[in-house]
Amino acid sequence: GNSVTQMEGPVTLSEEAFLTINCTYTATGYPSLFWYVQYPGEGLQLLLKATKADDKGSNKGFEATYRKETTSFHLEKGSVQVSDSAVYFCALWRDDKIIFGKGTRLHILP
Amino acid sequence: DAGVTQSPTHLIKTRGQHVTLRCSPISGHKSVSWYQQVLGQGPQFIFQYYEKEERGRGNFPDRFSARQFPNYSSELNVNALLLGDSALYLCASSLVVDTQYFGPGTRLTVL
Repeated sequence: GNSVTQMEGPVTLSEEAFLTINCTYTATGYPSLFWYVQYPGEGLQLLLKATKADDKGSNKGFEATYRKETTSFHLEKGSVQVSDSAVYFCALWRDDKIIFGKGTRLHILP
Repeated sequence: DAGVTQSPTHLIKTRGQHVTLRCSPISGHKSVSWYQQVLGQGPQFIFQYYEKEERGRGNFPDRFSARQFPNYSSELNVNALLLGDSALYLCASSLVVDTQYFGPGTRLTVL
């Protein structure tokens, strides 16, 4: 079936460190892929998306590249800030719904 | 433009009761979806509605139902509440079919 697997957290980094959160997916065809972010006590915000192989989604310094050959969509940021502390969800679109991973909690230390 | 709005923000019910959650989509969005997010997990799809018709249903019991109104707002109803129904209920609306924008959610606690 369709599924998303992302690295377990929590991930703890110092401010200005490089961030990678790994995400792989299982699905038929070429689903659209997403990263959503959830700040404490809030709903989900769409961070970025990519709709086809080799597309790069980017927003707020975050980026992720749709890799069909490795079925991956890893999230990266060159220099994280304390304000990036949140839970990050990798997701795919299939059969008229979003399928989410379990989320990765990110803590950024000042 | 206002984003997706949901009401109420928080709700406390007891087992066996009924609950109705409400959602107003972004203006111009005709599709509304509902998700359940249990603490520490990713959201799980419950329903999708488009132009007042149900287009998809997740793996939830018949105690869960929903509808969409002519103004594209939506209600999620849950009957005979169980402790396990305690969760954050998220509503999302979309204009482009695969890009959904989420509201802040309704946190339901069942005692």
